[in-house]
Amino acid sequence: SQQGEEDPQALSIQEGENATMNCSYKTSINNLQWYRQNSGRGLVHLILIRSNEREKHSGRLRVTLDTSKKSSSLLITASRAADTASYFCATDLMEYGNKLVFGAGTILRVKS
Amino acid sequence: GAVVSQHPSWVICKSGTSVKIECRSLDFQATTMFWYRQFPKQSLMLMATSNEGSKATYEQGVEKDKFLINHASLTLSTLTVTSAHPEDSSFYICSASVQRETQYFGPGTRLLVL
Repeated sequence: SQQGEEDPQALSIQEGENATMNCSYKTSINNLQWYRQNSGRGLVHLILIRSNEREKHSGRLRVTLDTSKKSSSLLITASRAADTASYFCATDLMEYGNKLVFGAGTILRVKS
Repeated sequence: GAVVSQHPSWVICKSGTSVKIECRSLDFQATTMFWYRQFPKQSLMLMATSNEGSKATYEQGVEKDKFLINHASLTLSTLTVTSAHPEDSSFYICSASVQRETQYFGPGTRLLVL
C-alpha cells in the first residue's frame, strides 16, 4: 500500500483563501517532501522538511511535520488561481534512502 | 538550475513496437535517476532506480525485460518499453537526484499504444 495518504482528496476554495492539505505516513522517514503537478505535466518540488524539523516556510507555503503522529501538513496562504494543481507528499524512507514513496495527492482548485 | 528534460513529450505507437524515452539532466550531473509511471488521476508509482554505470533496481511487480533501463552517463538515462501493448499506455516521468535528497522531475512522456 502507499506510504503516504493524503486528505482531502479534492479541495475547492476561493482565491485569497488558505488551503490546507494533510499527509500521513506509516514508517520512519529521512525527510518528507511536497510536490505540485499541473495537469499533464511533471512535478515541481516545493519544499523538503527533514525528520528533525517541525516547521518550514517558503514564500506562501508553510509545512509542518509531526513525527510522533507520522503526519505533515501543507498550508498555502492567500491562494491564487495559478495554485490550481495536484499536490503530492512524498516520503524518503529511512531503510531505502532517497527512494520516494508518493501519497495519493490532493487536487486543489482555486476559483477566481 | 536543476533542469531535467524528457524526450519525446508524447508518443503514439502501434501494439508490438518498442518505444525509447530519454531523460536528461541538463545542468547537473545526476548519479541516480528514477523512473515512475502515473495513470490518470493517480499518484506516481516508482518503477526503477537507475545508477550510472550499473544495472537498474526494479520495484516489485515491474518486469525488467519489459521496461529496459540504461543509464549510460551522469546526464542520460533511457527507458525502453519493449513490445508495447495498450495496457502500457501511461504517463512516464523520470527524476534525477544530485545528492541523496531532492529529486528533480522531468516534464513527463505520455505514451499511447494503439
